[in-house]
Amino acid sequence: GEEVAQTPKHLVRGEGQKAKLYCAPIKGHSYVFWYQQVLKNEFKFLISFQNENVFDETGMPKERFSAKCLPNSPCSLEIQATKLEDSAVYFCASSGSLGNIQYFGAGTRLSVL
Amino acid sequence: AQTVTQSQPEMSVQEAETVTLSCTYDTSESNYYLFWYKQPPSRQMILVIRQEAYKQQNATENRFSVNFQKAAKSFSLKISDSQLGDTAMYFCAFMKGTSGTYKYIFGTGTRLKVLA
Repeated sequence: GEEVAQTPKHLVRGEGQKAKLYCAPIKGHSYVFWYQQVLKNEFKFLISFQNENVFDETGMPKERFSAKCLPNSPCSLEIQATKLEDSAVYFCASSGSLGNIQYFGAGTRLSVL
Repeated sequence: AQTVTQSQPEMSVQEAETVTLSCTYDTSESNYYLFWYKQPPSRQMILVIRQEAYKQQNATENRFSVNFQKAAKSFSLKISDSQLGDTAMYFCAFMKGTSGTYKYIFGTGTRLKVLA
């Protein structure tokens, strides 16, 4: 598609439940980035992919967070056993090449109650 | 490590006036990119303008222009003829350009309100 599509728009989970977020990058873009925006507007980089390969995972809290980009499927970000502090807006962005502009999806707001 | 600082948490401007949002960054890199993104209440991140560090000429996009001072590590955004639709959060972002991970490092944002 011509835009980055993120689903769902809003996700509500009880503490300890699993959350799974999806991202379809712009068609033809090889790079996918995930960012977390917390309530103070701070952005935190989580992970990036080059096609289905992890490119940089230095921002991922590895204990409960995982992500995948499989061929012919939307990319996904999964949080096992959510905590209150995971409440945030999760953005996916895609880029056609390294060093190029990243185009953002509309984000998924995760509310952990 | 690179850092991006936006020292103005909130600003306001009258419609049709000009406003400048400041951004400073810290890096030892010589090759990098700088961006301004707009985030309206819809929360969609919209690219406003992009600057390559190797280019001395300041980038311009219609009413939006930057003042890029590489030696001072400053990257301010000027919005001319402000419109009500410019009301939004504005984020400055840094991206390392060589052998890096190409992730964005964002500032904490400036909330701009355009007054009628």
